[in-house]
Amino acid sequence: DGGITQSPKYLFRKEGQNVTLSCEQNLNHDAMYWYRQDPGQGLRLIYYSQIVNDFQKGDIAEGYSVSREKKESFPLTVTSAQKNPTAFYLCASNPGTRGGSNQPQHFGDGTRLSIL
Amino acid sequence: KQEVTQIPAALSVPEGENLVLNCSFTDSAIYNLQWFRQDPGKGLTSLLLIQSSQREQTSGRLNASLDKSSGRSTLYIAASQPGDSATYLCALFGGSEKLVFGKGTKLTVNP
Repeated sequence: DGGITQSPKYLFRKEGQNVTLSCEQNLNHDAMYWYRQDPGQGLRLIYYSQIVNDFQKGDIAEGYSVSREKKESFPLTVTSAQKNPTAFYLCASNPGTRGGSNQPQHFGDGTRLSIL
Repeated sequence: KQEVTQIPAALSVPEGENLVLNCSFTDSAIYNLQWFRQDPGKGLTSLLLIQSSQREQTSGRLNASLDKSSGRSTLYIAASQPGDSATYLCALFGGSEKLVFGKGTKLTVNP
């Protein structure tokens, strides 16, 4: 079955440590997204990528970095510069949104990041 | 800047009741509107997508409507069941290459 796989499901970060969250999709989608979800805040966009080797900052990119070397993979690194990283992180994909979109967005099951 | 509001933030109903969830938005220049369901600790599942040119979409007991002129969408759930308990989110795509989400309505259906 096609879908989005996020790993790990739970992740713990030590002070000053960088951690990387994995997101892999086998839907052959061009566009991929990273969201952060906090209680009462809704989903906030961190980074997105419309095509391989290209990505853009979302609304809360500070303290995060991404890469898009392969179409199916869009890993997110939470750096030590992100002072409040505890949250639920969701990866999503879409066939492509250039010029508009008429396809639903697909989501992975999320990674919950906590501070040790 | 597009803003999406969902009221109420939480709703509790008895099993079997028909109910309506509301979503309002400030900018009517949208390509589509999507309704999602999120179970605790899980990702989002797409329920319905309404194109800008459409007025409504139906899937089983769910019906979503879109009124761009008034900046509103509703999700109607018929004959609610305990399994419908979840958080429901609406999101709009307005051509900025990204979805804008509401904060969701947490629905509890009591047996």
